[in-house]
Amino acid sequence: QKEVEQDPGPLSVPEGAIVSLNCTYSNSAFQYFMWYRQYSRKGPELLMYTYSSGNKEDGRFTAQVDKSSKYISLFIRDSQPSDSATYLCAMSENSGYSTLTFGKGTMLLVSP
Amino acid sequence: DAGVTQSPTHLIKTRGQQVTLRCSPKSGHDTVSWYQQALGQGPQFIFQYYEEEERQRGNFPDRFSGHQFPNYSSELNVNALLLGDSALYLCASRRSGRGYEQYFGPGTRLTVT
Repeated sequence: QKEVEQDPGPLSVPEGAIVSLNCTYSNSAFQYFMWYRQYSRKGPELLMYTYSSGNKEDGRFTAQVDKSSKYISLFIRDSQPSDSATYLCAMSENSGYSTLTFGKGTMLLVSP
Repeated sequence: DAGVTQSPTHLIKTRGQQVTLRCSPKSGHDTVSWYQQALGQGPQFIFQYYEEEERQRGNFPDRFSGHQFPNYSSELNVNALLLGDSALYLCASRRSGRGYEQYFGPGTRLTVT
């Protein structure tokens, strides 16, 4: 079992839809949870990070972490064609030397 | 404020050759990590440098080595290239103590033929 599991998609939605992207993980030591957006042939762009369980909102994006279920989500409201990209979840055990463990990424396609 | 920069953008090498990739971190960042991203996969951690020392290393062979300079910039060296080393190599930088806030460069796409 991989440490971080993420459905590769693609996930196709119409413009304006609410998108839900998810990851599960097995390492209970993970405390920091990040979401990155990666456009084709580009480097990942940090969207949001959260610490421990709870919700965090930033504009059209909401991140949720449920540590009891080892499950994290990213919701995108009012999705736009420009949101079409691969979304990567990443996790780390601490804020110091700990490294990032990534999921495979979910490809999102938002059609006009 | 320039973000993380990497050079070169693309590189084509032959099996058995050696390659050096370069990274300049975001202003104010002192910790640099390198990741390998194969097609269709998430980035895999190679190693991390802080204060010019390798602090953490992922599951990569000794053919992968690195260096960090006093200005925090970094190099990734790969010796005896294999076809399987073809990937996007990503550099990420952060401030020490803020491991959750890593910023990535655009990557160097390495093709080994």
